[in-house]
Amino acid sequence: AQTVTQSQPEMSVQEAETVTLSCTYDTSENNYYLFWYKQPPSRQMILVIRQEAYKQQNATENRFSVNFQKAAKSFSLKISDSQLGDTAMYFCALRNDYKLSFGAGTTVTVRA
Amino acid sequence: DVKVTQSSRYLVKRTGEKVFLECVQDMDHENMFWYRQDPGLGLRLIYFSYDVKMKEKGDIPEGYSVSREKKERFSLILESASTNQTSMYLCASSLDRGPTEAFFGQGTRLTVV
Repeated sequence: AQTVTQSQPEMSVQEAETVTLSCTYDTSENNYYLFWYKQPPSRQMILVIRQEAYKQQNATENRFSVNFQKAAKSFSLKISDSQLGDTAMYFCALRNDYKLSFGAGTTVTVRA
Repeated sequence: DVKVTQSSRYLVKRTGEKVFLECVQDMDHENMFWYRQDPGLGLRLIYFSYDVKMKEKGDIPEGYSVSREKKERFSLILESASTNQTSMYLCASSLDRGPTEAFFGQGTRLTVV
């Protein structure tokens, strides 16, 4: 079984500031992949960033970076220099083999 | 660009009706998924498929079935729709089981009355 937990239902951040979203997961597998997806008000899901579990180096994509702590089964997302267009729901996801599971999501609101 | 197309954006059905939600992808992806999205619960996996005619139960398969007769099409079936199946349904596909990105359809908002 695999589970993904996002404990922050909502977060608010001032434009240009930094916000960190938390995610914990549980899996019995050693080889797996982690993702953060963004769902803006348009509803279209977009991949933000991905991390292979066997890689120790944390992934970064422009203003988005992760803090991957394998032993703690933690995978947080940091959004730096927040922009109004970052307002969306963010989902953490875990893939084992063919199964892809998501968390409950965190709604991020960027204030002007 | 990969395209995942769901047949309807909005659907209203009556309790007890048999409902078909269709999903088609155009990039020869192995892997396809059906999720339902509810406020506070996120995306919950209903069924997934890794090849034609192959399917696996997700976390909440009760009340649903699926069909994958062709690689590009993955159908979700509600045998007898109930009001607690009112939800947003999202279809997704990915190339394989590695770190590849999942591409999503626009979603179908199903209301069962």
